[in-house]
Amino acid sequence: QKEVEQDPGPLSVPEGAIVSLNCTYSNSAFQYFMWYRQYSRKGPELLMYTYSSGNKEDGRFTAQVDKSSKYISLFIRDSQPSDSATYLCAMSFYGQNFVFGPGTRLSVLP
Amino acid sequence: GAVVSQHPSRVICKSGTSVKIECRSLDFQATTMFWYRQFPKKSLMLMATSNEGSKATYEQGVEKDKFLINHASLTLSTLTVTSAHPEDSSFYICSARLQESGTEAFFGQGTRLTVV
Repeated sequence: QKEVEQDPGPLSVPEGAIVSLNCTYSNSAFQYFMWYRQYSRKGPELLMYTYSSGNKEDGRFTAQVDKSSKYISLFIRDSQPSDSATYLCAMSFYGQNFVFGPGTRLSVLP
Repeated sequence: GAVVSQHPSRVICKSGTSVKIECRSLDFQATTMFWYRQFPKKSLMLMATSNEGSKATYEQGVEKDKFLINHASLTLSTLTVTSAHPEDSSFYICSARLQESGTEAFFGQGTRLTVV
């Protein structure tokens, strides 16, 4: 079993849709969970950062962590064409290296 | 968020030459920087962890004599690809961990290396 699993997509949605992106993981020791957005040929950009379980909201983005299920989600409300990118989940435990999911390619169609 | 600057963004070099890529944390001090390689439509592959003032820790399968990493200050780490071959052509990305929290990481813009 891979340490972090993520559906690679591509995921295509119409503009204005709610997007749900997910990752599952196997190491229960992970405490820090992040979502990155990566546009083509650019470095990843940190979108959301969450410690332990719970929800975090920032504008149109909501991150959820369910440690009991080892499952994290990123929701994008009112999706825009500019949201079209690859979304990477990442996780770590304090002081250790980050482990990334393979990324989900999202296309928001106008 | 914190800013990490990577330079150059794109470089083309001849086989057998060496190329240096710089990674700078602009508004924070980073005791730890990471170097990744990314193939098209693939996720990030960690190459090495760079610690200020000490030797880098390389991941299994990464040749330390080929990918030289120097982290001479709290704001600068460099990756030198030595004796480059066409198969070294890739997208190289650095990231830096915030010194205070040790948990969030911010990425540079990436460097597209093409070896001809």
